[in-house]
Amino acid sequence: AQSVSQHNHHVILSEAASLELGCNYSYGGTVNLFWYVQYPGQHLQLLLKYFSGDPLVKGIKGFEAEFIKSKFSFNLRKPSVQWSDTAEYFCAVKSTAGNKLTFGGGTRVLVKP
Amino acid sequence: DTGVSQDPRHKITKRGQNVTFRCDPISEHNRLYWYRQTLGQGPEFLTYFQNEAQLEKSRLLSDRFSAERPKGSFSTLEIQRTEQGDSAMYLCASSADRVPYEQYFGPGTRLTVT
Repeated sequence: AQSVSQHNHHVILSEAASLELGCNYSYGGTVNLFWYVQYPGQHLQLLLKYFSGDPLVKGIKGFEAEFIKSKFSFNLRKPSVQWSDTAEYFCAVKSTAGNKLTFGGGTRVLVKP
Repeated sequence: DTGVSQDPRHKITKRGQNVTFRCDPISEHNRLYWYRQTLGQGPEFLTYFQNEAQLEKSRLLSDRFSAERPKGSFSTLEIQRTEQGDSAMYLCASSADRVPYEQYFGPGTRLTVT
């Protein structure tokens, strides 16, 4: 069975600080990987995705993530956060042979102005 | 394209009552998914449709839960004899029929069972 672990439940940082959110998954086969973001009062939005090719993927709003297959990791990064990045971030994995997304527990990020 | 829509956005019901939620996917998407999210957790998969066929169901989907997508467009999720443990956000997502089948989520229906 697939599982996804997000290391930090809460992160607090100041504007212009760098952000890195950890995500590790457990699954032996080929996967597609996703990061979703949920801003306060809004629904889940796709931030970025990996399905093949370059393991460093870029998403919206200056976010990027790196897939390290040997470590079963897909960490999310942003070099300089803004107050508007305050949100909950979810990592998700999907087997290429399956249909469902398996989500991590989420990380709440609070950016102080 | 207005995205995935769900109705109602909030539902309060008494234990033992039946409830039904509706999801309208993005119009050209033939894949539709239901998830459940409880406080402090990520969404958990419930079921998946490709067109009108329900192809996968989670063990979370007890006999009290039923989902349909009769014409391959909108879908309904019914919960019979609701229990307090059913209180959660019910999310619908849809995807196009192409790799990597990225899923787009609706705003959810928040169910409170009293």
